[in-house]
Amino acid sequence: QVQLVESGGGLVKPGGSLRLSCAASGFTFNDYYMTWIRQAPGKGLEWVSYISRSGTTIYYADSVKGRFTISRDNAKNSLYLQMNSLRADDTAVYYCARDLGFRGAFYAFDNWGQGTMVTVSS
Amino acid sequence: QSALTQPASVSGSPGQSITISCTGTSIDVGGYRYVSWYQQHPGKAPKLMIYDVSNRPSGVSNRFSGSKSGNTASLTISGLQAEDEADYYCSSYTSSSTPVVFGGGTKLTVL
Repeated sequence: QVQLVESGGGLVKPGGSLRLSCAASGFTFNDYYMTWIRQAPGKGLEWVSYISRSGTTIYYADSVKGRFTISRDNAKNSLYLQMNSLRADDTAVYYCARDLGFRGAFYAFDNWGQGTMVTVSS
Repeated sequence: QSALTQPASVSGSPGQSITISCTGTSIDVGGYRYVSWYQQHPGKAPKLMIYDVSNRPSGVSNRFSGSKSGNTASLTISGLQAEDEADYYCSSYTSSSTPVVFGGGTKLTVL
């Protein structure tokens, strides 16, 4: 079955960096668009970034543009989020999720990881 | 502030039906069929309940249905059950600079 497992979260000081990883299994990874979505404690969902199957098309939320970089390694069935210049308001659970569409974007996410917590605090 | 507007809370008794609204604009909900709904129980990852306005993924109960009129999408849950108590989020494709926007979420309480 489809499985997405995030890792790399933790406590980091403001201005610091973290790299999140998402290991995918149970499906052909390079057939699907992937995304990162976050949820601050007690708050709603916020879309963060989106990457196409080959990695050639990428989008970012305005709140992270210029600071975060999404990437994927299809040979390793892995999705990544490099987060630099972290701020307190980046504190959240970060989920990786798969787009529902097979070889295309449906902008709906049918499989989610369990999430990894990122805390930005001094 | 969220791009899509949802009521903060709704409630209903077991067996009743409830509807959650999601209001956007012509560049998101009103302009495309890429409207989705997610259910999230406390401490859990969200679960896709509806995509493309009204389609249910395999395994989702037919008590959940979606619709859209103009700039407002709706999620209806019929025959409310205790396990439906959760937070519900809508999302939509948007032709703005960022392709996906979420609503602020609605807490459903089953009385």
